[in-house]
Amino acid sequence: GQQLNQSPQSMFIQEGEDVSMNCTSSSIFNTWLWYKQEPGEGPVLLIALYKAGELTSNGRLTAQFGITRKDSFLNISASIPSDVGIYFCAGQADTGNQFYFGTGTSLTVIP
Amino acid sequence: KAGVTQTPRYLIKTRGQQVTLSCSPISGHRSVSWYQQTPGQGLQFLFEYFSETQRNKGNFPGRFSGRQFSNSRSEMNVSTLELGDSALYLCASSFGPNQPQHFGDGTRLSIL
Repeated sequence: GQQLNQSPQSMFIQEGEDVSMNCTSSSIFNTWLWYKQEPGEGPVLLIALYKAGELTSNGRLTAQFGITRKDSFLNISASIPSDVGIYFCAGQADTGNQFYFGTGTSLTVIP
Repeated sequence: KAGVTQTPRYLIKTRGQQVTLSCSPISGHRSVSWYQQTPGQGLQFLFEYFSETQRNKGNFPGRFSGRQFSNSRSEMNVSTLELGDSALYLCASSFGPNQPQHFGDGTRLSIL
């Protein structure tokens, strides 16, 4: 099936630092989603993107739909300890309805 | 707190047994998808149901099956369990097939 490459695989940062992660695909997508998963819980939807070039914010989180439609980016500003978790991207292609998920970026914030 | 409810939260079975997992979607959501999550493979798509019909199916053997009821609740069944079926099984619901999905907290299945 479709594989989404998510990087970096893991990040260890100091509290207060900004975070950037990205997700790339070999196919064009018409929807990009970003989720956060904490231990023992299911993924929680953070941001949904529907148009190439779209930039959407949710508090300290900002995500962008790449203009090539093959990538998406998530930034977290001024990280705090509760940002810890695994961040997943998900994409949905034009021709199908299935969402494909990235392998996740594990974020650790050091107080 | 997630609006999607999955039961049970934890399950222990032995090889060869079968299991049924349940998912109640967010009220008003008619699309339900199932995923298998393992540390090595990430989130793998199992199948998607909309209006009681399976719309998409992932690359899993026929031992994995599902169904959706008229109230949009869904069940998935795994027969002849294998050790490799140990995973977190996640259900996600959305208003329709093309809408962003909202996940439940999953059923942790352990096979002994």
